[in-house]
Amino acid sequence: DAKTTQPPSMDCAEGRAANLPCNHSTISGNEYVYWYRQIHSQGPQYIIHGLKNNETNEMASLIITEDRKSSTLILPHATLRDTAVYYCIVPKVIGSSNTGKLIFGQGTTLQVKP
Amino acid sequence: DTGVSQDPRHKITKRGQNVTFRCDPISEHNRLYWYRQTLGQGPEFLTYFQNEAQLEKSRLLSDRFSAERPKGSFSTLEIQRTEQGDSAMYLCASSVTDRGTAFFGQGTRLTVV
Repeated sequence: DAKTTQPPSMDCAEGRAANLPCNHSTISGNEYVYWYRQIHSQGPQYIIHGLKNNETNEMASLIITEDRKSSTLILPHATLRDTAVYYCIVPKVIGSSNTGKLIFGQGTTLQVKP
Repeated sequence: DTGVSQDPRHKITKRGQNVTFRCDPISEHNRLYWYRQTLGQGPEFLTYFQNEAQLEKSRLLSDRFSAERPKGSFSTLEIQRTEQGDSAMYLCASSVTDRGTAFFGQGTRLTVV
């Protein structure tokens, strides 16, 4: 997988936007950026993914820079329930096939405070 | 609920015993993955299946570990002669195809005493 770098921890005030950065400078042209989060003692939860265009769904927005070397996950109005470890992952693509396996780093621990 | 289902959610076993975990993927998902997560670490890939074929095994999967997916639907992960170091959360995920998004179950928490 393309190596990703995330800050180990971040704080955010409840109701404010949480912006979580991720660097993936070795990403290849056909590799997607995926974001998952893991709330304590639960399985990882899929949030969003993208290739080159910005993406938005009901959970979050994903902003990918034009050179695709970094991205930012945005939670527009963070709540206490968004406190979790957030993982930025770039699954390896071999040829036209995605190996599918995810290599998790340490992620960013987001603490949403009242 | 049509998500990935894992059973049991918690398992306490004595060192040296064998344990087996089950994973039911989302219906019609061809890919099934097993991961292990120890305290304070991110999940680590163990193995994955395309239908009933096991396509890759991590070096983390020692000879005491075996995984099966006999009919291309549910999967089992067996650990023989458990050791204290096997204590971890075992996670299962599934995806429609090799390019599909993987969705995770809630995991099985194993404690070896």
